[in-house]
Amino acid sequence: DIQMTQSPSSLSASVGDRVTITCRASQSISTNLNWYQQKPGKAPNLLIYAASSPQSGVPSRFSGSGSGTDFTLIISSLQPEDSATYYCQQSYNVPCSFGQGTKLEIK
Amino acid sequence: EVQLEESGGGLVQPGGSLRLSCAASGFSFSSYEMNWVRQAPGRGLEWLSYINSHNGGTYYADSVKGRFTMSRDNAKNSVYLQMNSLRDEDTALYFCARGRTGDGDSFDHWGQGTLVTVSS
Repeated sequence: DIQMTQSPSSLSASVGDRVTITCRASQSISTNLNWYQQKPGKAPNLLIYAASSPQSGVPSRFSGSGSGTDFTLIISSLQPEDSATYYCQQSYNVPCSFGQGTKLEIK
Repeated sequence: EVQLEESGGGLVQPGGSLRLSCAASGFSFSSYEMNWVRQAPGRGLEWLSYINSHNGGTYYADSVKGRFTMSRDNAKNSVYLQMNSLRDEDTALYFCARGRTGDGDSFDHWGQGTLVTVSS
C-alpha cells in the first residue's frame, strides 16, 4: 500500500502569508494526487485534483504542484476562512490513501 | 445541485451490525463510482470501499475486508454499506463520496456523514 506523509502536521500563519503544505508518497504516483480542505464539523471539500488542477469554484489563491513522489499545496495569500485541516490523497491505485492532515490556524 | 445524504448510523454493541445508506440526487447516479470514507473522532480520513458504475465491482480497505459490504441500487440512486462484526475501532463519522473517473480520480462531492458509535 502507498503511504502518504504530510508536513507539517500543524502550522500557524497570519492573514496575507504565503503558506506551503507538502505531501510525499512512499512510491511514485505520477500526478494522481488530490487535495481536500476540511473545516470542523464539515465534510471534506475538493480543492485540487490531478496534482495541479483547481476544482471549480476554488479561490485562485490555492494552487498545487508536483509529480512522482513530492507534491505541494500553496495558499498564496492566507485568508481567515482558510483555517481548516488539509489532506492530500493518492488515487494512483487501490487502496487510495490520505495523508494524516495538516491543521492550519490563523494567528 | 449534487446532493449526497447518509443515514443509518447509531449506537451498536461490539459484534453487532448496521446498514448505512447514501441517497444521491442532482446527477446521473448510475454513471458514477461511489466511495465510503470514515473519520474516527479527532482523527484523519480513512478510505473504506469503492463500487464502480458499470458492473458493481467493489474494493475494500484491509481494515474492513470480510466484515463490510458495499452495494448500490441505481433504481433508487443509493449506495449502501452493510457493516458486520463491528468493533470499538469502527466508531467514526461515515461519509459517502462521489468518485470522478479521470480528473485525478478525485472525490468531488461528499455527504455530511452519519455517526456510528460502537460501544457496550
